[in-house]
Amino acid sequence: AQTVTQSQPEMSVQEAETVTLSCTYDTSENNYYLFWYTQPPSRQMILVIRQEAYKQQNATENRFSVNFQKAAKSFSLKISDSQLGDTAMYFCAFMRYLSSGGSNYKLTFGKGTLLTVNP
Amino acid sequence: GAGVSQSPRYKVTKRGQDVALRCDPISGHVSLYWYRQALGQGPEFLTYFNYEAQQDKSGLPNDRFSAERPEGSISTLTIQRTEQRDSAMYRCASSLYDNRNQPQHFGDGTRLSIL
Repeated sequence: AQTVTQSQPEMSVQEAETVTLSCTYDTSENNYYLFWYTQPPSRQMILVIRQEAYKQQNATENRFSVNFQKAAKSFSLKISDSQLGDTAMYFCAFMRYLSSGGSNYKLTFGKGTLLTVNP
Repeated sequence: GAGVSQSPRYKVTKRGQDVALRCDPISGHVSLYWYRQALGQGPEFLTYFNYEAQQDKSGLPNDRFSAERPEGSISTLTIQRTEQRDSAMYRCASSLYDNRNQPQHFGDGTRLSIL
């Protein structure tokens, strides 16, 4: 079974600064995807960024980027130029897939990190 | 609609009652997933469908929980003889197909409270 660990229950950052949220995971699989989802107070669940395990290059989406260390099973999220609207819960998630076929595309989530951006 | 729609947004019911939670996925999305999110936790997988076929129900906690998607679009998650431990946010997600390249889009959830 896969597990996802987010060791920081809460974090805070000043507006316009950079913050890094950590995530580690445990799996014996070689092929998988990793995701960061955000859950703002509006209670939506929004995909921020995703990374394919077979890709060496770290994914980037505007102010959001990841540091993917496959050997260390680490997948941190960096938010640059933090904005007040970034205040939310952030969830790291893992999805394995079976190259041989069959369906196993469920997401396994960590417990989340509550990020507060202060003015 | 543009996104995944869930209803009701809130449901309060007495222990022992049955509840039915509805999910209307994004139009054209083949795969539909149900998750449960306890307070302060990340979502946990319950079950998922491709079209009308239930592909994986390994996350359903016990036989009081069931789900269906009879016409391959709207899905209903039913909890029979509810217990207080069933209180949680129930989230539905859909994706274009159960392909690893297709992200899952989540609805706003149904917050279920069992008294």
